[in-house]
Amino acid sequence: GENVEQHPSTLSVQEGDSAVIKCTYSDSASNYFPWYKQELGKGPQLIIDIRSNVGEKKDQRIAVTLNKTAKHFSLHITETQPEDSAVYFCAAGLYNFNKFYFGSGTKLNVKP
Amino acid sequence: DAGVIQSPRHEVTEMGQEVTLRCKPISGHDYLFWYRQTMMRGLELLIYFNNNVPIDDSGMPEDRFSAKMPNASFSTLKIQPSEPRDSAVYFCASRTGNVDNEQFFGPGTRLTVL
Repeated sequence: GENVEQHPSTLSVQEGDSAVIKCTYSDSASNYFPWYKQELGKGPQLIIDIRSNVGEKKDQRIAVTLNKTAKHFSLHITETQPEDSAVYFCAAGLYNFNKFYFGSGTKLNVKP
Repeated sequence: DAGVIQSPRHEVTEMGQEVTLRCKPISGHDYLFWYRQTMMRGLELLIYFNNNVPIDDSGMPEDRFSAKMPNASFSTLKIQPSEPRDSAVYFCASRTGNVDNEQFFGPGTRLTVL
């Protein structure tokens, strides 16, 4: 099965700085890579996703890059704000299938 | 829309007791998922339903776990008998049947088995 590894486990940045979270996956068949944000006491919420037919996708301050050859993908948050503080999860799976394999999570702390 | 509704939000029980977690998906969503989140194993898919029919239950850890979806607006996850290692946060999620993978998660049920 798929194995997703995520780094770092914790990340602390100053407000306004950028944050980068990296994930690797093992199954070359995976073609869908969503990122979730989980705030304290809440369920995960999809913030951005990417399919394997593109190398990069951007949505305002958030971007995701994908390197299928190396089997890794990254989340980039620019101009971080205190409200970005949360746990972020990457996942990998097959598009339009329903079984995703999640990374272990990164706790992001944005210091004001 | 109220989003995915889960109850109870917190459950504390003793080992050996039966536990039932409940979920109401977003109206009109065809898929319903049950996840378990622990520090050790992260977020794991336990089972999912499509149009009330269980499709993949390979993530259900043991026969002590069972899930049902008697209608489109209600699902239960039951643990009988419960064990301390079942302590976790259990999430329910739902999504539409369209080619759109976004799953909407509920707030979770924090289960503690003493």
